[in-house]
Amino acid sequence: ELKVEQNPLFLSMQEGKNYTIYCNYSTTSDRLYWYRQDPGKSLESLFVLLSNGAVKQEGRLMASLDTKARLSTLHITAAVHDLSATYFCAVGLPLYTGANSKLTFGKGITLSVRP
Amino acid sequence: GAGVSQTPSNKVTEKGKYVELRCDPISGHTALYWYRQSLGQGPEFLIYFQGTGAADDSGLPNDRFFAVRPEGSVSTLKIQRTERGDSAVYLCASSFRGGASSSYNEQFFGPGTRLTVL
Repeated sequence: ELKVEQNPLFLSMQEGKNYTIYCNYSTTSDRLYWYRQDPGKSLESLFVLLSNGAVKQEGRLMASLDTKARLSTLHITAAVHDLSATYFCAVGLPLYTGANSKLTFGKGITLSVRP
Repeated sequence: GAGVSQTPSNKVTEKGKYVELRCDPISGHTALYWYRQSLGQGPEFLIYFQGTGAADDSGLPNDRFFAVRPEGSVSTLKIQRTERGDSAVYLCASSFRGGASSSYNEQFFGPGTRLTVL
């Protein structure tokens, strides 16, 4: 059974500082997604990571994937208030094994940026 | 273009009643997914459609839950004899394709239906 763990579950960040949050998963996968969710809203796609060593950046966020360690990191550079939200990673079983494309989500990491 | 839409946005019902939740996927997307998100949790998979057929319904919690997608576009999630434990946000997502190539599997989520069972 595929399990996805995120840590920490809550992170209070100071404006202007750098932080890293983590997502690890229990079995082989060929795809990992990061989503952002604001309170009362749906999920917004942030990053799609499909290969070992993949690195993607958007603004102050950078996501990377290490499939051998079964770990993805989301690095935040110079945190700003607008980044306050809950961040989910989601993983799927490898499609080349015949698995379908459903996703297993972690519990999410709530980021709060304080001045 | 238009994203995934879901109706209603909120549904309040009484225990024991029947409800239907509707999802309209992105035009051209052949794969459709239903997830359920309880407060403070990540979304949990319910069912996946590829075209008109349910390719995986392993996440449906019991036989009170059923979903259809008769024409391969709009899907309806149906819950019979609702219980208070069914209260959650029901999310629908669609992707261009399901299976085969990872690059086509990015899932785009709708705004969700918040179901409250009193």
